[in-house]
Amino acid sequence: QAQLVESGGGVVQPGRSLRLACTGSRLTFSSYAMHWVRQAPGKGLEWVAVIWFDGSNENYADSVKGRFTIARDNSRSTVYLHLNSLRAEDTAVYYCAREIQGVLDSWGQGTLVTVSS
Amino acid sequence: DIQMTQSPSSLSASVGDRVTITCRASQGISNYLAWYQQKPGTVPKLLIYVASTLQSGVPSRFSGRGSGTDFSLTISSLQPEDVATYYCLKYSTTPWTFGQGTKVEIK
Repeated sequence: QAQLVESGGGVVQPGRSLRLACTGSRLTFSSYAMHWVRQAPGKGLEWVAVIWFDGSNENYADSVKGRFTIARDNSRSTVYLHLNSLRAEDTAVYYCAREIQGVLDSWGQGTLVTVSS
Repeated sequence: DIQMTQSPSSLSASVGDRVTITCRASQGISNYLAWYQQKPGTVPKLLIYVASTLQSGVPSRFSGRGSGTDFSLTISSLQPEDVATYYCLKYSTTPWTFGQGTKVEIK
């Protein structure tokens, strides 16, 4: 069973930056596209970003485009999400997820990002 | 971008009832539709993919159908452990898009 563990969440002031990480185990990490999905408190799921298995391509939700950057280091089985110019509305639990043929089949436990002054 | 409209936003039903949740895409997405279950305080769990294929280990009372723009998730006999919020996810093209969610409760 694939295991994904997120880290890096915390409390950050508006306008500041944060880097989230998601490390995979029990899977051939370099074979899979990886996604970030977020969930604001009491709200639904919102897809954030995807990076191809080899890092050759990436896509973003309009709500984060130009502010967030997804990256990966397959040698470390880790995918990152760089969050810049943070806003209060970015407050959420951030999940990473593995993709198999488009489907997000395995999810991490999530890491909470709180944007507050 | 393709929008996903899920309904109802919430429902309350009795144990043993048949429950159906629908998801409509603003454009055709073939069968690139998945369903997730999220129990309170837990991580989303994949139930169904390619509209109607049950993920391994998911009880057979869950089923999905549809193609193109109209999809549904049915619980044939609602159980107490099915209390959760259910989301559809379209993955035909970027961006991936979730429905707004349906909260299922026991009456």
